[in-house]
Parts: sequence; C-alpha cells; structure tokens
Amino acid sequence: DAKTTQPTSMDCAEGRAANLPCNHSTISGNEYVYWYRQIHSQGPQYIIHGLKNNETNEMASLIITEDRKSSTLILPHATLRDTAVYYCIVSARYGGATNKLIFGTGTLLAVQP
Amino acid sequence: EAQVTQNPRYLITVTGKKLTVTCSQNMNHEYMSWYRQDPGLGLRQIYYSMNVEVTDKGDVPEGYKVSRKEKRNFPLILESPSPNQTSLYFCASGGGNDYEQYFGPGTRLTVT
Repeated sequence: DAKTTQPTSMDCAEGRAANLPCNHSTISGNEYVYWYRQIHSQGPQYIIHGLKNNETNEMASLIITEDRKSSTLILPHATLRDTAVYYCIVSARYGGATNKLIFGTGTLLAVQP
Repeated sequence: EAQVTQNPRYLITVTGKKLTVTCSQNMNHEYMSWYRQDPGLGLRQIYYSMNVEVTDKGDVPEGYKVSRKEKRNFPLILESPSPNQTSLYFCASGGGNDYEQYFGPGTRLTVT
C-alpha cells in the first residue's frame, strides 16, 4: 500500500498557484518525499524531491513540515498544461541507487481557464 | 537527450502468443524497472533490476519474465499472454547521483 494520502481531485484557476497537499505520517528518517505527475497516460514525470528542507526548482516548490508528516507541492502559476495526476511518494534511497516508487492514486489537478 | 525508449508503443495480440516489450535507456543507469497501470489500480511494479544480471520481483510479477544482460536494456517478456495482462506498461530507469527516475512513453498491450 502507498504510504501517502492525497485528495482525489482539485481544481485551480489558470494563472493562480496550485497547492497540492500530501500526508505521510509514517515516513521514516531516511525516506525522501518525491512528487511525480502523469499527463493523460504518458509516462510519469519527475517534478521535485526533498528530505526535510523546503525545495524549489523551475517547475515547483516543495514545502515539508518540520515533523515531516506532511508536505505541499506548489505550482506557482498553473497553466492548462499542468492538468495531470500528481503523485506524492515516499521512498528511501540506498547506496546511491534509486529505490522502488510506490504510486498511490494521486490527485487529479484540473486547471480551469 | 536523456531518454527511455519502449517498443512497441501499441500491440494487439492473442492469448498464448509469446511477446517481448523492449526497454532501453541512454543514461548509464543501474536501476531499471517495469510497471503496469490499470484503471483504479494505479501503477504497480512488475520487476526491477538493480544492475546487470540482478533482477527481482516487484508486486505483480506473475506471468512475466525479465532479463538484464546489458546495462542499457531491460526487456519484459510475456511467455504466454492472457487477457488479464491487457494493460499500459511503463519502463523506468534511475541511478547514480540522479534522484529522478525517468519513465518511458508507455506500451499499450491488448491480449484477446
């Protein structure tokens, strides 16, 4: 079973920030939080990851609470092309190699014009 | 360009006819894996490989085989396909200092 809980769906107006929450209350100390998205049956696409600090890249920001039991993915200016299923995943990383990603059902983000 | 390629992209076959779906990556990644995606069930891992000649079962390995003779290739083999293997299949790779896993474009398989 996935170790994360996400809302099934969310709407966002185009141009506004999209804030996608994720609960991972059983996260272990060596587990990272990853976010991927899948646009209509395409291969999942990596967005961002973090361990305990907030992270930002060209696509999004990741805010992780101090107790690491939840996080929020922020798309600062959502566009119609951001309509996708967003997956929050927790996974450890051993010996430099990536580890198994367990996909839950994710959040369907619908960006409205 | 860093990429994972899969072939074929679409395949319709009949029950019992052996088939292979190829997966290749050009990033020198150690880790490769196969997922299937079904409506309402999300992506489930079939097999994975931590390096050449090292493979292991994922969550739904029944009816599938894999091999990892070269680092770049990780074919998925269905020896005797059945209709319940009709699905969308994704190959992924990752490793080194890269935290990102890269996914292929998918192979839509229909078994009649």
